[in-house]
Amino acid sequence: QVQLHESGPGLVKPSETLSLTCTVSGGSVSSSSYYWSWIRQPPGKGLEWIGYIYYSGSTNYNPSLNSRITISLDTSKNHFSLKLSSVTAADTAVYYCVRLPHNNNYMGVWGKGTTVTVSS
Amino acid sequence: DIEMTQSPDSLAVSLGERATIKCKSSQSVLYNPNNQNYLAWYQQKPGQPPKLLIYWSSVRESGVPDRFSGSGSGSDFTLTISSLQAEDVAVYYCQQYYSTPFTFGPGTKVDIK
Repeated sequence: QVQLHESGPGLVKPSETLSLTCTVSGGSVSSSSYYWSWIRQPPGKGLEWIGYIYYSGSTNYNPSLNSRITISLDTSKNHFSLKLSSVTAADTAVYYCVRLPHNNNYMGVWGKGTTVTVSS
Repeated sequence: DIEMTQSPDSLAVSLGERATIKCKSSQSVLYNPNNQNYLAWYQQKPGQPPKLLIYWSSVRESGVPDRFSGSGSGSDFTLTISSLQAEDVAVYYCQQYYSTPFTFGPGTKVDIK
């Protein structure tokens, strides 16, 4: 059974770059059957889709964050990563990595999430 | 972007009673070529990630109790919990995956009366 696990710094300074990694176990990021995605949830608020990457390396980002996002894939380590640049306090959130079926983009498998706080 | 709204914001239901949550999309999420509604429902308990309950507006995810059901088409959808159990206390979100950016409703909090 596939499992996803987020990792990365829990504290990032304003204007710096947030970097997170999602390690996949029980499945392969090289599979053509899935998109690999990031979702975030600010404290006490709702869910925001950040973007996804496909095994081919093609990406699709939320236009609201597009200029600041990079999602990449490392097949040798079976993980994918998120970089969000020029962070502010508004980027403080729980960040989840999620697996989506390629042809049916509901969010079937979620990691437990990692909290990132933006503060000096 | 497709905007998702939900009603009510919160509701309290007695154990064993029915809970009904509405979700509306700003445009249709029905894809005519396959007649599928690209609408999912999730349950989120405190401190946990969301859990997929329903996809294609009415298909229950494997392992989800049959007291959860989804209905609706086009722009109007409903999640029904037929007989509320204590473990159903959570926030429920609808989400459209018809087009990117994928968007979620603001959530409906369900409590025990």
